[in-house]
Amino acid sequence: GAVVSQHPSWVICKSGTSVKIECRSLDFQATTMFWYRQFPKQSLMLMATSNEGSKATYEQGVEKDKFLINHASLTLSTLTVTSAHPEDSSFYICSARESPNSNQPQHFGDGTRLSIL
Amino acid sequence: SQKIEQNSEALNIQEGKTATLTCNYTNYSPAYLQWYRQDPGRGPVFLLLIRENEKEKRKERLKVTFDTTLKQSLFHITASQPADSATYLCALARNAGNMLTFGGGTRLMVKP
Repeated sequence: GAVVSQHPSWVICKSGTSVKIECRSLDFQATTMFWYRQFPKQSLMLMATSNEGSKATYEQGVEKDKFLINHASLTLSTLTVTSAHPEDSSFYICSARESPNSNQPQHFGDGTRLSIL
Repeated sequence: SQKIEQNSEALNIQEGKTATLTCNYTNYSPAYLQWYRQDPGRGPVFLLLIRENEKEKRKERLKVTFDTTLKQSLFHITASQPADSATYLCALARNAGNMLTFGGGTRLMVKP
């Protein structure tokens, strides 16, 4: 089955640090990847849609200069949280779509828990 | 405004019984609806997809119904097992770009 790998799974760092999270599709090519954020006991909130070779589309209220997304290849998208602060602490999850068909499921990584001290 | 509602209270059932979870939506006209399972500290795992022109979909012990008149989907797990304990999320596709909007999820606890 389609596997999405996310790395790292856990990050603890000081305020002001920039953190990069990688999302890889291991056995398929993903033209589109999605980045979500999830707070405890809440649902997933879409942050941005990442298309290979083009700029990401950010959801309303998500700062594109704060959350930098790069989708340089069909198997890798990265999310960089720049100058992270404690309020950026959250669970970040990526997903990838295997097919260009819009009605196909998304395959999710196992998430990255980010804790900013 | 668009809203997807799932029962935020945990559903506790006895092993062997059928679990039924509800997903209601307002101000949406989704082309399809998906159900995912999420375990603590993990990403969601896709379970089932049902299209607007389908009334019911089955996969092993899972069954999903989709009533576009009631704007509701029901998710059933028959012969439930403790291993089915998890949070179940419904998600609607907002548009053809397959950007999913998720409900808040319902936590299911199956007791042996």
